[in-house]
Amino acid sequence: GNSVTQMEGPVTLSEEAFLTINCTYTATGYPSLFWYVQYPGEGLQLLLKATKADDKGSNKGFEATYRKETTSFHLEKGSVQVSDSAVYFCALGGKAAGNKLTFGGGTRVLVKP
Amino acid sequence: GAVVSQHPSWVICKSGTSVKIECRSLDFQATTMFWYRQFPKQSLMLMATSNEGSKATYEQGVEKDKFLINHASLTLSTLTVTSAHPEDSSFYICSASSGGLSGGNTIYFGEGSWLTVV
Repeated sequence: GNSVTQMEGPVTLSEEAFLTINCTYTATGYPSLFWYVQYPGEGLQLLLKATKADDKGSNKGFEATYRKETTSFHLEKGSVQVSDSAVYFCALGGKAAGNKLTFGGGTRVLVKP
Repeated sequence: GAVVSQHPSWVICKSGTSVKIECRSLDFQATTMFWYRQFPKQSLMLMATSNEGSKATYEQGVEKDKFLINHASLTLSTLTVTSAHPEDSSFYICSASSGGLSGGNTIYFGEGSWLTVV
């Protein structure tokens, strides 16, 4: 079946540090890949997505590239801010995944000033 | 942009009672809605897929008689937790899609509903 594995947190960083959150997946077919962010007490917001191999999703300074050869979709940001403190979820979905989203375990990120 | 709204945001109910959570798509028609459950500091677990005008499809291990889902219109799906128990206390989140996830369609999530059963 489909599964998503992402690095466990919490990840604690200083402001302006480089952030990487690893995400790998197993799936049949060619799923779409997503990163969602959840701020404290809120629901999930789509951060970025990629629908096919070698696509790069980007938003708010975050980037992730769909790597089919390594089945990965690592999230990166070059210079984090305190406001980036949240829980980040990697997910896969799409027609190949039966139109359902499968989430990774989530990675809590804490950015200190 | 598209908005999905859940109501209530917070609900406390007594053990043995039933509670209904609504999920509305505010500016688009959602043929499919999904209900997830999230335990503290854990990931989201898909409970069921709600299809407008037909029965919901439940994930393995989810009791369909306990978690009743109704998707009577293209803008509203409801989740009713029947005979609630303290172990049902959780964060319930819905999401909505105007179609399948193939191509560029986007899933939009509601704000979530905190259920506490006492």
